[in-house]
Amino acid sequence: SQQGEEDPQALSIQEGENATMNCSYKTSINNLQWYRQNSGRGLVHLILIRSNEREKHSGRLRVTLDTSKKSSSLLITASRAADTASYFCATDAASGNTPLVFGKGTRLSVIA
Amino acid sequence: DAGVTQSPTHLIKTRGQQVTLRCSPKSGHDTVSWYQQALGQGPQFIFQYYEEEERQRGNFPDRFSGHQFPNYSSELNVNALLLGDSALYLCASSLAGYPGELFFGEGSRLTVL
Repeated sequence: SQQGEEDPQALSIQEGENATMNCSYKTSINNLQWYRQNSGRGLVHLILIRSNEREKHSGRLRVTLDTSKKSSSLLITASRAADTASYFCATDAASGNTPLVFGKGTRLSVIA
Repeated sequence: DAGVTQSPTHLIKTRGQQVTLRCSPKSGHDTVSWYQQALGQGPQFIFQYYEEEERQRGNFPDRFSGHQFPNYSSELNVNALLLGDSALYLCASSLAGYPGELFFGEGSRLTVL
């Protein structure tokens, strides 16, 4: 079963605009990660935020985590056509040694 | 530094056949996880191997089995293939004791006819 659910399922923006994707999850977590996948390729890790962190930055990426609402958001600023990909959130539950569980993803299209 | 490598990249099988997929983890990693990704879906956890043993397993039938070798490489075997097994099979490696980032291979695209 999938723990995280991304919203929206698909997003289309113009180059230079910001893209925001959201993720909701069900159980308490140790950390939350975001991954990127170009069409039909492997996943690439973008950023990890721990359950005791509220915000994290990496280049043009900004991730927030609200554990009280069990939600996270990924912001990509000044988007580029090369950012076109699917983005997945992934969580590992706080209850013991559990595998990383992925959501269904948001498909981002950045139009030049 | 070699990343995660998977083989084959693409393969076509017919219903009822068996398939073996292979994965070599990133150098220095000792844990291998396998995921199945159907078209338009997120990756679904199949199982994880550490020290040559299956440590965790997702909600997949016994037709899905695996193995890890002393050099940490791994195989995924699927018996009695069904049409619904058509998917991208992803291998990911990590280092035990350091929960966090998974390093993924490019996947093996399996088509069952």
